[in-house]
Amino acid sequence: SQELEQSPQSLIVQEGKNLTINCTSSKTLYGLYWYKQKYGEGLIFLMMLQKGGEEKSHEKITAKLDEKKQQSSLHITASQPSHAGIYLCGAGHLAQRGSSNTGKLIFGQGTTLQVKP
Amino acid sequence: NAGVTQTPKFQVLKTGQSMTLQCAQDMNHEYMSWYRQDPGMGLRLIHYSVGAGITDQGEVPNGYNVSRSTTEDFPLRLLSAAPSQTSVYFCASSYLYSPLHFGNGTRLTVT
Repeated sequence: SQELEQSPQSLIVQEGKNLTINCTSSKTLYGLYWYKQKYGEGLIFLMMLQKGGEEKSHEKITAKLDEKKQQSSLHITASQPSHAGIYLCGAGHLAQRGSSNTGKLIFGQGTTLQVKP
Repeated sequence: NAGVTQTPKFQVLKTGQSMTLQCAQDMNHEYMSWYRQDPGMGLRLIHYSVGAGITDQGEVPNGYNVSRSTTEDFPLRLLSAAPSQTSVYFCASSYLYSPLHFGNGTRLTVT
């Protein structure tokens, strides 16, 4: 089965600083999802990456999929207290390039981000 | 839209008791799944379903049963609760080619 490992496991940054969270797969990634979770709440979808080399941005968050390295990164620019939470990467059970999940995502262990004002 | 609704939000059980965690979605999604979240372990898949009448096991299915009699509902049954099942449980749903939509979770404590 595919395994996803996130690094770092936790991160404390000063407000305004940039940061990067990595997600590495034990198998080739054909697609990857990033979610954010605030304590005690559900998961909020951030971005989905499906093509090698793909990069997506939303506000100050940018995600990239490096297919050769079997890795995805999530980069936050000029962090704010609202960015605090747990970030999780998930990958679908993909039969072939371009297909998507069947509701059966495997997740990394999560990265806990604290942003100090 | 209500999205994915989970009930109850909190539950305390004694070892050996049984209960059902409810999950309902109003988006007509084909795919539904149950995850448990434990500190340092991320989300682990318990069971999932690709449509009404079709279910399959995930990574950690032991001690849990599911059924999918309708598109909207996907209940998770704990047959005989154990302290190891203390966790936060999330239900999720999706279409093919779409991200998972998660409920707000059920926090379960087994004493």
